[in-house]
Amino acid sequence: DSGVTQTPKHLITATGQRVTLRCSPRSGDLSVYWYQQSLDQGLQFLIQYYNGEERAKGNILERFSAQQFPDLHSELNLSSLELGDSALYFCASSATGFGYTFGSGTRLTVV
Amino acid sequence: AQSVTQPDIHITVSEGASLELRCNYSYGATPYLFWYVQSPGQGLQLLLKYFSGDTLVQGIKGFEAEFKRSQSSFNLRKPSVHWSDAAEYFCAVGDGNAGNMLTFGGGTRLMVKP
Repeated sequence: DSGVTQTPKHLITATGQRVTLRCSPRSGDLSVYWYQQSLDQGLQFLIQYYNGEERAKGNILERFSAQQFPDLHSELNLSSLELGDSALYFCASSATGFGYTFGSGTRLTVV
Repeated sequence: AQSVTQPDIHITVSEGASLELRCNYSYGATPYLFWYVQSPGQGLQLLLKYFSGDTLVQGIKGFEAEFKRSQSSFNLRKPSVHWSDAAEYFCAVGDGNAGNMLTFGGGTRLMVKP
């Protein structure tokens, strides 16, 4: 157990739907990162939050959004889902800098 | 923008043999470099990292990596592979100017023959 908790582990949904992925960082970690792992794009950085504020943005679609709450957990919201959004979504957390710890991911399947 | 290339998509080695996984990066400044391992159905586990200093970095599980600035490489090595090392390995470069985001290579899948 890495200490980073992601729920749910698996999610199957239909095209056009909206889902929310949840991440609880390791105790004491202020930064949360979201990554997408797909067969065609590989591992891609989506977005980072630090202590509730957006810190950096990567290749995140406009249909996707995220937030970090006062208790430091984070949610990634994916809307108007398409088949191509099927992927593993990883959350990672760190206290400072690059000391990432990854969660075990949420596997999203869009049918 | 930074990029990472892992030239070998698949590598098969015999148990007990030595291993070298290649990684080449493109980054304008002094890079922060990482190797992660991903077992099936698992998240990514950090094997080792290079920030500065000694160019030969020791990591967990008996792995090491060598930073060669002249070749823009950060190859991962292990002297004797165990069957449990079968997994996918990712090299990554970190951008400290962009919120510590990581750019990953495409990964190398390691298979170990008994």
